[in-house]
Amino acid sequence: GAVVSQHPSRVICKSGTSVKIECRSLDFQATTMFWYRQFPKQSLMLMATSNEGSKATYEQGVEKDKFLINHASLTLSTLTVTSAHPEDSSFYICSARDPDTRTDTQYFGPGTRLTVL
Amino acid sequence: GQQVMQIPQYQHVQEGEDFTTYCNSSTTLSNIQWYKQRPGGHPVFLIQLVKSGEVKKQKRLTFQFGEAKKNSSLHITATQTTDVGTYFCAGPSGGYQKVTFGTGTKLQVIP
Repeated sequence: GAVVSQHPSRVICKSGTSVKIECRSLDFQATTMFWYRQFPKQSLMLMATSNEGSKATYEQGVEKDKFLINHASLTLSTLTVTSAHPEDSSFYICSARDPDTRTDTQYFGPGTRLTVL
Repeated sequence: GQQVMQIPQYQHVQEGEDFTTYCNSSTTLSNIQWYKQRPGGHPVFLIQLVKSGEVKKQKRLTFQFGEAKKNSSLHITATQTTDVGTYFCAGPSGGYQKVTFGTGTKLQVIP
């Protein structure tokens, strides 16, 4: 299946700093990528849809100024958590759909575990 | 908005026993997908069902899509310790390519 990578896999930062997470589709081009957040023992919650060459679409309740998304190329989307606070600590996962498969299958990156001190 | 619920939330089984998780959507789905997330890992796609009443098998796993296309089930026969993880169903949620994930069922297999 399609491969999606994420970097970094784990990050610890101080409160008030910004953290950038990268999501790459390695063997296919993704015009659309998705960013999810998963709290412990909970399901995946969609944060935003990242669209190549245009603005991201945010889900209700997600602050667009806090979670900056940039999708500058067909293989790279970045999520920047600005002025991070301890409540932003979570598991952030990106996904992309391989347009060649003609299915809705989502291929997930390995995730980034963010801890804000 | 659309809600996708799964039951049970947790299930502990003895190795060799069967396991079933049920998925119910508040809206009719064009398709249903199933994912498995191992502890500490990310969701991995298992299968997609599209047709009403469809049944698909993958070795010991049997997936079923309800006639009304609002519910689905995953049945594992003779569980093994490698089956441990959280199983999520997911369905299209209206937006372009967006999916809504179910609440998940965490399976523990006791050796």
